[in-house]
Amino acid sequence: ILNVEQSPQSLHVQEGDSTNFTCSFPSSNFYALHWYRWETAKSPEALFVMTLNGDEKKKGRISATLNTKEGYSYLYIKGSQPEDSATYLCASCPGKLIFGQGTTLQVKP
Amino acid sequence: SAVISQKPSRDICQRGTSLTIQCQVDSQVTMMFWYRQQPGQSLTLIATANQGSEATYESGFVIDKFPISRPNLTFSTLTVSNMSPEDSSIYLCSAGGDSTDTQYFGPGTRLTVL
Repeated sequence: ILNVEQSPQSLHVQEGDSTNFTCSFPSSNFYALHWYRWETAKSPEALFVMTLNGDEKKKGRISATLNTKEGYSYLYIKGSQPEDSATYLCASCPGKLIFGQGTTLQVKP
Repeated sequence: SAVISQKPSRDICQRGTSLTIQCQVDSQVTMMFWYRQQPGQSLTLIATANQGSEATYESGFVIDKFPISRPNLTFSTLTVSNMSPEDSSIYLCSAGGDSTDTQYFGPGTRLTVL
């Protein structure tokens, strides 16, 4: 049984703060690690698909790193804005997407 | 990229009835999937919708409860049959390629069963 764990479960920060969350996943039989942002009543939005150990990806103020040997990925948000408020999901992909429960971020103006 | 729409966006249903959810993709895609998110739980894969053949179900999900159709490369339906309150969830469809490709999701159908 594969478990993908995300921490923290929820996070409240002030506008302008930088923050990060963790996704841990089984390192065996790894193909890819996906990050999504999911705002209420909208479609989950794909942020990154990462496949290589040591990979770093960036999209605007959001970046992610990947360590496949120890089985974790970090998502960083620099200078959080209220529009960053959402649930951030990671999913490990050993053939199919297995999701963590998400980190819900609330950015206060 | 792919833009995915779902209908209905939400519904409230009575126990014992069935609901069919439609998923439309704006381009032809190889793989389509159906997921469920129960309250407080992770997104969980129900099945892969195969064009022209029976869907492939994950452990714990069966065709009699969740029949799926996929008549072409842009459309799929999921039926939640003989509903009970435990079926209250958000149901999402997605489309994509293999495991290293981006998967695109619809906005979800929020189902409440009374």
